[in-house]
Amino acid sequence: QSALTQPASVSGSPGQSITISCTGASSDVGGYNYVSWYQQHPGKAPKLMIYDVSNRPSGVSNRFSGSKSGNTASLTISGLQAEDEAGYYCSSYTSRSTVVFGGGTKLTVL
Amino acid sequence: EVQLVESGGGLVQPGGSLRLSCAASGFTFSSYSMNWVRQAPGKGLEWVSYISSSSSAIYYADSVKGRFTISRDNAKNSLYLQMNSLRDEDTAVYYCARFFPGMDVWGQGTTVTVSS
Repeated sequence: QSALTQPASVSGSPGQSITISCTGASSDVGGYNYVSWYQQHPGKAPKLMIYDVSNRPSGVSNRFSGSKSGNTASLTISGLQAEDEAGYYCSSYTSRSTVVFGGGTKLTVL
Repeated sequence: EVQLVESGGGLVQPGGSLRLSCAASGFTFSSYSMNWVRQAPGKGLEWVSYISSSSSAIYYADSVKGRFTISRDNAKNSLYLQMNSLRDEDTAVYYCARFFPGMDVWGQGTTVTVSS
């Protein structure tokens, strides 16, 4: 199972919005509404930010939103803040009943 | 407080074995499916294995199938990962994670180093 495709890095200034893409196939992202997004700061465990494409767990800021079109899912962060600087990973359920992660995107807040 | 605590990591030679444990507290462990996820040094996240709440469904990544075995003891609120025939490429921080859907609770990770 190949990893989902994410850009290696994105950047934005405080207050701006950025979008991270996550491209898979019809056997994973495109076939199921089971895409999740995780934030990971250096040396820390990942944190769930979005589940089932567009749902936010309790306690996650509404500045984070998710969507999907075809085989590509997206995470949008609006009103960028310094603390948003971190690694971001998407994941998807697959047709083989497994889970696949994206390669990760490093977000830099300029 | 909802918490997962991994243990059992360490240094092991190629071909060796190791058993990881994950102790759950603060929630009804028997009601949740669980996962193991690993992260090699400087690399991204890699899903390793899934087990349903009753152990009736178990899945593995191709990279560990036939070498790793996931299990759980709901009476002890514990999740396990038996790792055999370890390879250099299994070196990573191993996390256990509760499945919500989405993995909503993660442990702090335990480090496994495979090296001679």
